[in-house]
Amino acid sequence: QLQLQESGPGLVKPSETLSLTCTVSGGSMSNYWWDWIRQAPGKEMESLAYIHSSGDSNYNPSLKSRVAISVDTSKNQFFLRLTSVTAADTAIYFCARYGVVVGNYYYTDVWGKGTTVTVSS
Amino acid sequence: EIVLTQSPATLSLSPGERATLSCRASQSVSSHLAWYQQKPGQAPRLLMYEASNRATGTPARFSGSGSGTDFTLTISSLEPEDFAVYFCYQRSKWPETYGPGTKVDIK
Repeated sequence: QLQLQESGPGLVKPSETLSLTCTVSGGSMSNYWWDWIRQAPGKEMESLAYIHSSGDSNYNPSLKSRVAISVDTSKNQFFLRLTSVTAADTAIYFCARYGVVVGNYYYTDVWGKGTTVTVSS
Repeated sequence: EIVLTQSPATLSLSPGERATLSCRASQSVSSHLAWYQQKPGQAPRLLMYEASNRATGTPARFSGSGSGTDFTLTISSLEPEDFAVYFCYQRSKWPETYGPGTKVDIK
């Protein structure tokens, strides 16, 4: 059974860079798209970026200048880097797989449980 | 970006009752909408996709309908495990967006 596990620092200081890892187990990353999503306290989920196992990627325009996504299929991992963090980046960060495909439309079907990130000095 | 609104924010019902949850999009998303269930401390679970298709493992008591801007998730008879938060999600236009959720709690 495919499982995703997010890992990260938990606490990050303002203006620093947040680095997160999603480790995929129980299946292959090949030929799938992978997603990072976050949920700030009291707010809706927000899509951050997604990446294909080949390396093709796309970013939420609201964060495009600060976010980078990458993948290492040999390690069954993909990554998120968010620079110049502020308190507004405090959130639960989730990773997910786009595993349901209908024509050109993809839906995330497997998610990790999320990792909490707090931005504070 | 497309804004999704959900109503009601909270739905208080008893086991066995019917639950009707609404999701409205700020512009048409055609049928490219999904519903997720989330319980505290757990990963979100895909229930429905393309508005009316049950995901693998979704019980038949869950059904979805709608197209364009108005969508409904119906739970025909609530089971104890159905008390959770449900949020909708649109895949029509990037960035994909999520609704704020409807909490279904026990009356």
